[in-house]
Amino acid sequence: EPEVTQTPSHQVTQMGQEVILRCVPISNHLYFYWYRQILGQKVEFLVSFYNNEISEKSEIFDDQFSVERPDGSNFTLKIRSTKLEDSAMYFCASSPRYLYNSPLHFGNGTRLTVT
Amino acid sequence: AQRVTQPEKLLSVFKGAPVELKCNYSYSGSPELFWYVQYSRQRLQLLLRHISRESIKGFTADLNKGETSFHLKKPFAQEEDSAMYYCALSGNTGFQKLVFGTGTRLLVSP
Repeated sequence: EPEVTQTPSHQVTQMGQEVILRCVPISNHLYFYWYRQILGQKVEFLVSFYNNEISEKSEIFDDQFSVERPDGSNFTLKIRSTKLEDSAMYFCASSPRYLYNSPLHFGNGTRLTVT
Repeated sequence: AQRVTQPEKLLSVFKGAPVELKCNYSYSGSPELFWYVQYSRQRLQLLLRHISRESIKGFTADLNKGETSFHLKKPFAQEEDSAMYYCALSGNTGFQKLVFGTGTRLLVSP
């Protein structure tokens, strides 16, 4: 069964550095998402992406964050200048079509540690 | 505002016992409700959703709009049910901006 893959599984970076988290969604999926989970807290929506543009974003997704689908297969999340509070598990997800009839497929996540 | 509440962080039962994982929600419109499960060292995956009205791995969940609840139930728990369970909500418009609860860890002991 096809899966969403995320790399790396664990990323350690220093405060103020830029990081790029990478995801390869399932190939025939059209909708892409990033969620994050700070340790001990709930999974939170960050952003949704469709037709090469952001369709919705949360308050968390400020100017330090950006997403890109550079080559038709990868879907990346960039944090321009990381803060300590960006430390979390970041989940990529994709779905083949609009929510109502299709579940989200999640990746295994990237654990980001900002020191 | 959209909110999902799972009051129990941990639910510990013996194999064969009934299980009920509680979920309450707050949403002004007509929501879509889901249960996602995360087994040890595995990814989040959809367990069931209220529109399907199906039973998956013996689990069922009924949407009670009067009580704004979507509790997950199974009559006889199995050890392999041990996992983290997340209740999630989405509005019926827009993309999959799922609002998750904090999750309940179910531990089924032999």
